[in-house]
Amino acid sequence: GIQVEQSPPDLILQEGANSTLRCNFSDSVNNLQWFHQNPWGQLINLFYIPSGTKQNGRLSATTVATERYSLLYISSSQTTDSGVYFCAVADIYNTDKLIFGTGTRLQVFP
Amino acid sequence: SAVISQKPSRDICQRGTSLTIQCQVDSQVTMMFWYRQQPGQSLTLIATANQGSEATYESGFVIDKFPISRPNLTFSTLTVSNMSPEDSSIYLCSVVGLAGGSYEQYFGPGTRLTVT
Repeated sequence: GIQVEQSPPDLILQEGANSTLRCNFSDSVNNLQWFHQNPWGQLINLFYIPSGTKQNGRLSATTVATERYSLLYISSSQTTDSGVYFCAVADIYNTDKLIFGTGTRLQVFP
Repeated sequence: SAVISQKPSRDICQRGTSLTIQCQVDSQVTMMFWYRQQPGQSLTLIATANQGSEATYESGFVIDKFPISRPNLTFSTLTVSNMSPEDSSIYLCSVVGLAGGSYEQYFGPGTRLTVT
């Protein structure tokens, strides 16, 4: 099955810093989503981005499907950005079955 | 996007007992799923809840341990049977929103289960 790897596994930032999170996947995908899991366990949808670039406030994401990776950019980080960021993909044969990456744990300190 | 609720939000159960988790969506959706997140781990798909037919289970998950019902297009239950401490996890339901024809998936708030 498709493999999803995220890097870095852990990231510690001071408030105001920028960061880039990476998601590599091993096969063609029809679905790619980025989620933020807050400290209470809630999964928050950030981007649905099987290809191309999107921006939402301080966050933006780019997926290069032909090279099998996606990047999540966080600018001017805030303490509320802390939590775990997951990339999840679905291959072209199982469009609804999301396979989650291992996650990036982000801690932002004031 | 759909509004998804789960009950209970958390529970502490004794080994050998069973717990049924409910997932309610505020609109009709075609696809509903159940995931498990073990402590410190990523999410793993348990099964697809099919309306009007038996659920489709992923490798490593069986109906006797995780029976699922889906009586209509807005509701599903997952039962964790004969629990052991290894079942301590967050259980999440999800739906495909079908907004604009996309396959974007939305998750409920989760049920945090501790088995003692």
